[in-house]
Amino acid sequence: GNSVTQMEGPVTLSEEAFLTINCTYTATGYPSLFWYVQYPGEGLQLLLKATKADDKGSNKGFEATYRKETTSFHLEKGSVQVSDSAVYFCARENDYKLSFGAGTTVTVRA
Amino acid sequence: NAGVTQTPKFRVLKTGQSMTLLCAQDMNHEYMYWYRQDPGMGLRLIHYSVGEGTTAKGEVPDGYNVSRLKKQNFLLGLESAAPSQTSVYFCASSYVPAPYNEQFFGPGTRLTVL
Repeated sequence: GNSVTQMEGPVTLSEEAFLTINCTYTATGYPSLFWYVQYPGEGLQLLLKATKADDKGSNKGFEATYRKETTSFHLEKGSVQVSDSAVYFCARENDYKLSFGAGTTVTVRA
Repeated sequence: NAGVTQTPKFRVLKTGQSMTLLCAQDMNHEYMYWYRQDPGMGLRLIHYSVGEGTTAKGEVPDGYNVSRLKKQNFLLGLESAAPSQTSVYFCASSYVPAPYNEQFFGPGTRLTVL
């Protein structure tokens, strides 16, 4: 099926550390790819997206590049802050709907 | 704009009871969605609607019904609640579907079925 696999958490980091969250998708066609973020006690909100191969989405210091050859869309941030503590979800377009990964909980310690 | 709101925020039910979750959006969005979020499983689509008066099944529709009588509201019903329906429920809406626009999410409803 049209699925998304992302690295399991939880991930715990110190402030200013480098963050990578791996995400791969099943390669049926060329779906648009998304990262959503869920801060504690809130609903999800779009962090960034990429709609075609080699596109790079970026927002709030986060980046992810659509890699067709490896069917991946890994999320990266060079220097995390305590305020980045959240659950991050990778998602792919699926017939005009979204299919989500399981989510990765990230905790950043001061 | 309030965005997407959900009522109630918390609810505890006994097995066999019924309830309705209300989702409302004030962004004039055509598309609305109901998801459930369970640990380790991400979000799974229950039902969705592509416009007023329409509904369609998602990935996990069994045990739920929905209605979209007004464009701004999308109701999720549980006719006979079961412990397996203990979850956090999120409503979302979008003006046009993925990939052309983002989905806007409500704050969630935490439901416990005893």
